[in-house]
Amino acid sequence: GIQVEQSPPDLILQEGANSTLRCNFSDSVNNLQWFHQNPWGQLINLFYIPSGTKQNGRLSATTVATERYSLLYISSSQTTDSGVYFCAVAMFSGGYNKLIFGAGTRLAVHP
Amino acid sequence: DGGITQSPKYLFRKEGQNVTLSCEQNLNHDAMYWYRQDPGQGLRLIYYSQIVNDFQKGDIAEGYSVSREKKESFPLTVTSAQKNPTAFYLCASSQSGTAYGYTFGSGTRLTVV
Repeated sequence: GIQVEQSPPDLILQEGANSTLRCNFSDSVNNLQWFHQNPWGQLINLFYIPSGTKQNGRLSATTVATERYSLLYISSSQTTDSGVYFCAVAMFSGGYNKLIFGAGTRLAVHP
Repeated sequence: DGGITQSPKYLFRKEGQNVTLSCEQNLNHDAMYWYRQDPGQGLRLIYYSQIVNDFQKGDIAEGYSVSREKKESFPLTVTSAQKNPTAFYLCASSQSGTAYGYTFGSGTRLTVV
């Protein structure tokens, strides 16, 4: 099946630093999404980005579908950015669009 | 406010017991999902349901059971056949047929004691 690999697995930043998270996937996919899981476990969708670039405040994401990777940029990081960032790709299987998650990048932002 | 409610937030299970995790949504979504999250791993799909009275096994369904008697509700039972049930369980919903617009609950942390 399709493989989703995220790097780095762990990241520690000082507040104000910038970072880039990477997601590689092994096959053509219907779409790609980035999620943030806060320290209390709540998962929130950040971007739906099958291709191209999107920006939302200090976050932006770029997906190059032909090269099978996506990048999530975090600028001027804040302590509230801490948590786990997942990318997930969709593939059509068994009659529905199945989301396959990577193992995540655990981010800790220190003041 | 529309959303997904999971309960309880924390649950402790003795060896050999069945326990049921609750998931309720008021988003009028057709599809609902149960995921398991282990430390350092991504979310793995346990079961999903696209319509009432129908559900399908995901990637790790062994030792789990579900029901979908109402559109709003998708409870998950962790049976005694699940040998390693300690994990964080997340419920999600979406409009049927799409992989976009998932809404997740806040999770239930299950621990075997």
